[in-house]
Amino acid sequence: SQTIHQWPATLVQPVGSPLSLECTVEGTSNPNLYWYRQAAGRGLQLLFYSVGIGQISSEVPQNLSASRPQDRQFILSSKKLLLSDSGFYLCAWSAERSYEQYFGPGTRLTVT
Amino acid sequence: SQQGEEDPQALSIQEGENATMNCSYKTSINNLQWYRQNSGRGLVHLILIRSNEREKHSGRLRVTLDTSKKSSSLLITASRAADTASYFCATDVRTSGSRLTFGEGTQLTVNP
Repeated sequence: SQTIHQWPATLVQPVGSPLSLECTVEGTSNPNLYWYRQAAGRGLQLLFYSVGIGQISSEVPQNLSASRPQDRQFILSSKKLLLSDSGFYLCAWSAERSYEQYFGPGTRLTVT
Repeated sequence: SQQGEEDPQALSIQEGENATMNCSYKTSINNLQWYRQNSGRGLVHLILIRSNEREKHSGRLRVTLDTSKKSSSLLITASRAADTASYFCATDVRTSGSRLTFGEGTQLTVNP
């Protein structure tokens, strides 16, 4: 069966520090991968999605970047965090020709 | 901007009652999905309804879709305290693969 992992679960970082959040998927090949951000009490905002290694699409201009160095690994990064980067970050995957998405447990990021 | 808008924003009911949540969207879609999120956790896929379907059932869940009104409803019958969660609708306009736009969600509280 397929499993999606995200780490860390929580993170507190000072403004101006770098960020690296990692997401890995097991039990499937060539998944579509997604990074979302969720503000408190709100819906999900799609940040990046990827249909293959090295193929990243950005949905909104921001202080963040994403990379996919391996088929089942998706990384969210920032060189210098802003206060506005605080939020709940969710990674998700979908099968290549499927519509349903499956989410990881999320990372709660607080920028102080 | 969000494609889907859920109504109501919050709903509080007693155990055993039915819960109905509504979702409206703006553009033509390929499919509409409902997800559930327990507090501080990732989202869980509940049900997908395609644009050429009008009603779908899964256990205690019943989803309807009215493409002429660009709206959907999620009915949870015989609710339980464990159904307490946020429920999101998500629309997909693509015919291949998955690119979801989420609404802001309905917070459901089921009181024992």
